[in-house]
Amino acid sequence: AQSVTQPDIHITVSEGASLELRCNYSYGATPYLFWYVQSPGQGLQLLLKYFSGDTLVQGIKGFEAEFKRSQSSFNLRKPSVHWSDAAEYFCAVGSNAGGTSYGKLTFGQGTILTVHP
Amino acid sequence: DVKVTQSSRYLVKRTGEKVFLECVQDMDHENMFWYRQDPGLGLRLIYFSYDVKMKEKGDIPEGYSVSREKKERFSLILESASTNQTSMYLCASRFEWGNTEAFFGQGTRLTVV
Repeated sequence: AQSVTQPDIHITVSEGASLELRCNYSYGATPYLFWYVQSPGQGLQLLLKYFSGDTLVQGIKGFEAEFKRSQSSFNLRKPSVHWSDAAEYFCAVGSNAGGTSYGKLTFGQGTILTVHP
Repeated sequence: DVKVTQSSRYLVKRTGEKVFLECVQDMDHENMFWYRQDPGLGLRLIYFSYDVKMKEKGDIPEGYSVSREKKERFSLILESASTNQTSMYLCASRFEWGNTEAFFGQGTRLTVV
């Protein structure tokens, strides 16, 4: 069964500091991986996604993520955090296997990011 | 723009009531999902549907059922609402190919009293 773990429930950084949010997944083959962001009172917005090819993917708002197969990780990074990045971030894994589970999307527990001025 | 619309933003229901949450998407997506979101637990999959009249249980299906009679509409049904079903419910849709992202509705905050 596929699963996602986000080890950090809450992270606090200062504005301008770098950021790394951790994501570990469990899946039998090369997964489809996603990062979403949810600002307070808003819906979920896709930041970036990985399917194949280059293991470093660029997303919106200056975010990037690196797929590391050996570590089963897909960590999200940003070199310099802005106050507007304060939100909750979710990592997700999608099934690419055949059968009725194809297309199933499983999310992690989320990481709440607080940004200090 | 893709639009996923949930019929209500806020609902208050009584224990034991039958509750219907409706979701409509306008992008001809094959897959549709219902999640519940609780603090510290993230998004947990209740049910998903990969085609009309087809459904698969997610990770927490107990106490819920779903209906998908038309491609654009996916309904979540709480057969007999209980207080532990008080939560934020999110609907999502995506194309059938796994390498596409899901689009989410704004959510329905359900309170069962």
